[in-house]
Amino acid sequence: ETGVTQTPRHLVMGMTNKKSLKCEQHLGHNAMYWYKQSAKKPLELMFVYSLEERVENNSVPSRFSPECPNSSHLFLHLHTLQPEDSALYLCASSHGDRVTEAFFGQGTRLTVV
Amino acid sequence: SQKIEQNSEALNIQEGKTATLTCNYTNYSPAYLQWYRQDPGRGPVFLLLIRENEKEKRKERLKVTFDTTLKQSLFHITASQPADSATYLCALGQSGTYKYIFGTGTRLKVLA
Repeated sequence: ETGVTQTPRHLVMGMTNKKSLKCEQHLGHNAMYWYKQSAKKPLELMFVYSLEERVENNSVPSRFSPECPNSSHLFLHLHTLQPEDSALYLCASSHGDRVTEAFFGQGTRLTVV
Repeated sequence: SQKIEQNSEALNIQEGKTATLTCNYTNYSPAYLQWYRQDPGRGPVFLLLIRENEKEKRKERLKVTFDTTLKQSLFHITASQPADSATYLCALGQSGTYKYIFGTGTRLKVLA
């Protein structure tokens, strides 16, 4: 295990549902990330939080809403999603102020029906 | 726009041979480059990081080179084993930013 925990591992939701993805790290990192991974596409950076402040927001639709209540927890709130939003959602953390690697969680496999 | 290309979507090699994966980039000046391994249904796991002023980095059976003139990195796995079968991702980063830009990955299969 990498020290980054994501829940749930799998999620099936209807287009009118509201759900949340959770990510937790206890590595002492000060930056946390949400990535989307779709088949045959590179990881797409969605959001970055540094010291609980959002520092990157890569033109993500408003149906995705991130929340970072503290440096150890990150949420992605989902509502009125589309089938094309089905993907693997990955959380990662790092020491944001250093040249260093990112530690990823196992991901949440999301299916929108 | 910034672009990262990993040379092939899939690569099959025989056990014991050296696997060589390529990562090329354009319109970008990274301060460092990383390689990750990803198994199906799991998150990427960090393998190696090489900085722009380093030519080569090694870790056990892994070797990474970084040529900023060619804008290319090569990732080698020597004495490959079936357990090395996975998708390998390269990622670029710059100092002072939080962005890691990833390639699409190369799916390596080591045949017994």
